Amino acid sequence: AQKITQTQPGMFVQEKEAVTLDCTYDTSDQSYGLFWYKQPSSGEMIFLIYQGSYDEQNATEGRYSLNFQKARKSANLVISASQLGDSAMYFCAMREPNAGKSTFGDGTTLTVKP
Amino acid sequence: ETGVTQSPTHLIKTRGQQVTLRCSSQSGHNTVSWYQQALGQGPQFIFQYYREEENGRGNFPPRFSGLQFPNYSSELNVNALELDDSALYLCASNRGPQGEQYFGPGTRLTVT
Repeated sequence: AQKITQTQPGMFVQEKEAVTLDCTYDTSDQSYGLFWYKQPSSGEMIFLIYQGSYDEQNATEGRYSLNFQKARKSANLVISASQLGDSAMYFCAMREPNAGKSTFGDGTTLTVKP
Repeated sequence: ETGVTQSPTHLIKTRGQQVTLRCSSQSGHNTVSWYQQALGQGPQFIFQYYREEENGRGNFPPRFSGLQFPNYSSELNVNALELDDSALYLCASNRGPQGEQYFGPGTRLTVT
């Protein structure tokens, strides 16, 4: 069974600064995908970034980067130059290979201060 | 814009009643997954449909059932509602090239 752990219920960051949101995972699969989603108060889950278990380079998408440490089973999200619109809930998720199920963590609420 | 829509936006039901939630996705999206998200928690996988057949289910009782139609719409049915069924229900369609899912805005169900 897969498990995602997000240990930070809430985080604060000053506008224009960088912030790291932690995610650790547990799986016995050799091949897996790790995702980060953003959920604003409106409720819709927005895909941010993906990291494959065999990818040697850390994924980057604009201001988002994923610090992937496979041996530690961690996949932390780094948001650079935080903006007020980044205030939202952030979820780390893992997809089972060849299956429809994604396993989510309990999320981190990020608040960006002006 | 994910191209996934859900209806209704909000719903209030009484314990013991039945409810149907609807999801519509883009043409060609032949996979749909449903998730339940309780307040303050991450989404929990309910089940997935592929080409109108259920092909994966999470740890939810049989009173949670679904349908998928040829026109890429889908339904989640919940019978004998319980107070703990109060949650945001999310529908997610086909996976993108990296396996990411496209989510709808959700239906917030309140059971009183």
